[in-house]
Amino acid sequence: GAGVSQSPSNKVTEKGKDVELRCDPISGHTALYWYRQSLGQGLEFLIYFQGNSAPDKSGLPSDRFSAERTGGSVSTLTIQRTQQEDSAVYLCASSIEVRDSYGYTFGSGTRLTVV
Amino acid sequence: GQNIDQPTEMTATEGAIVQINCTYQTSGFNGLFWYQQHAGEAPTFLSYNVLDGLEEKGRFSSFLSRSKGYSYLLLKELQMKDSASYLCAVRDPRTNAGKSTFGDGTTLTVKP
Repeated sequence: GAGVSQSPSNKVTEKGKDVELRCDPISGHTALYWYRQSLGQGLEFLIYFQGNSAPDKSGLPSDRFSAERTGGSVSTLTIQRTQQEDSAVYLCASSIEVRDSYGYTFGSGTRLTVV
Repeated sequence: GQNIDQPTEMTATEGAIVQINCTYQTSGFNGLFWYQQHAGEAPTFLSYNVLDGLEEKGRFSSFLSRSKGYSYLLLKELQMKDSASYLCAVRDPRTNAGKSTFGDGTTLTVKP
């Protein structure tokens, strides 16, 4: 697609429920990244993919968080048994390759609210 | 690890010049990025520096000194639409690692 597409744009869920966030990167971008941003805070790295593999999962906050990418394209971030501290904007970004100089292109994010 | 420091807030006047500083302490270096983020929107890429010196792009310029662990973003001829948060990000120094560590951002308010 022309840009990075994320869905849903907003998600309100009850504590303890599972949620799935989807990211569709720019066609041809091999690198895909997940970050989250809490209100008034900077971006917190979660995980990135190079193709379908995830060389660095160090940012995932707990084992309730997991992510996968299939076909070198769409990625899903799954949060199990959501907690209130999971409330944040989850941003997905892609880049042509892992070490390019063009920076990330971000999607508009998914605003997750856990009540 | 990476530690990145930026001022939290800055205010400037329309038409003026403002410099937003970023200092970083890392075990290595593989490039520094600046992003602009308007309230409620996703960040957008502004600039990339990997060698020392100044990179100019229209009204925006970015400077890097690797020996000092220091960068700045210079905005000239400020416009009201430049009111936004400016994020400094340093790329992981490990070979083939793509992730960037972001500072908390500097909120710039441009006043008439």
